[in-house]
Amino acid sequence: EIVLTQSPGTLSLSPGEGATLSCRASQSVNTNSLAWYQQKPGQAPKLLMYGTSNRATGVADRFSGSGSGTDFTLTISTLEPEDFAVYYCQQYVGPPLTFGGGTKVEIK
Amino acid sequence: QVNLQESGPGLVKPSETLSLTCAVTGASITSYYWNWIRQPPGKGLEWIGYMHYTGNSNYNPFLKSRVTMSVDTSKNQFSLKLSSVTAADTALYYCAKYNSNYRSFDIWGQGTMVTVSS
Repeated sequence: EIVLTQSPGTLSLSPGEGATLSCRASQSVNTNSLAWYQQKPGQAPKLLMYGTSNRATGVADRFSGSGSGTDFTLTISTLEPEDFAVYYCQQYVGPPLTFGGGTKVEIK
Repeated sequence: QVNLQESGPGLVKPSETLSLTCAVTGASITSYYWNWIRQPPGKGLEWIGYMHYTGNSNYNPFLKSRVTMSVDTSKNQFSLKLSSVTAADTALYYCAKYNSNYRSFDIWGQGTMVTVSS
């Protein structure tokens, strides 16, 4: 099983600031097999990025993804009020599919 | 527009079987892989497994011995059964559509909370 470790656990930032979220895999992950989700309180997760760097439909271009091998990053260039949420990375190189533990981006 | 709606008992007794259904609208159940994912209160996401209408399935090894999934093409829905539940199975259960091109879940249900308690 590929374990995904996300850091930091919590990121305290102000609107207008930038955010960098990390997702580290215990084994190499194909770039086409790494996705990111955003989850707000009381809501289901929403697909944000797929294939490491492709934004899902309707996702703002302030979100970007990068990385390869075992290290992946989600970057939010300028935080908007609606971006404060929990973010999860997910891999599916092969079963079992796994998620990271999440990074909470909270308002400072 | 594809929509998923979970349904099932919100309370299950320990040692019994949890049964949930996900109704799919806006897409044919035969067109995709259908998944169950759960989230214990205040915790992260755990993939339970997927099912295809052909019978192709794959379950999380940690749950495999207790999980059964099925697809009902006549009703355009799919189901989850989790046997011998304990308090550790208390969670918000989501059904989700897997996008093979994206290798990720592009459509999620709203989730249904299941509590295991006597």
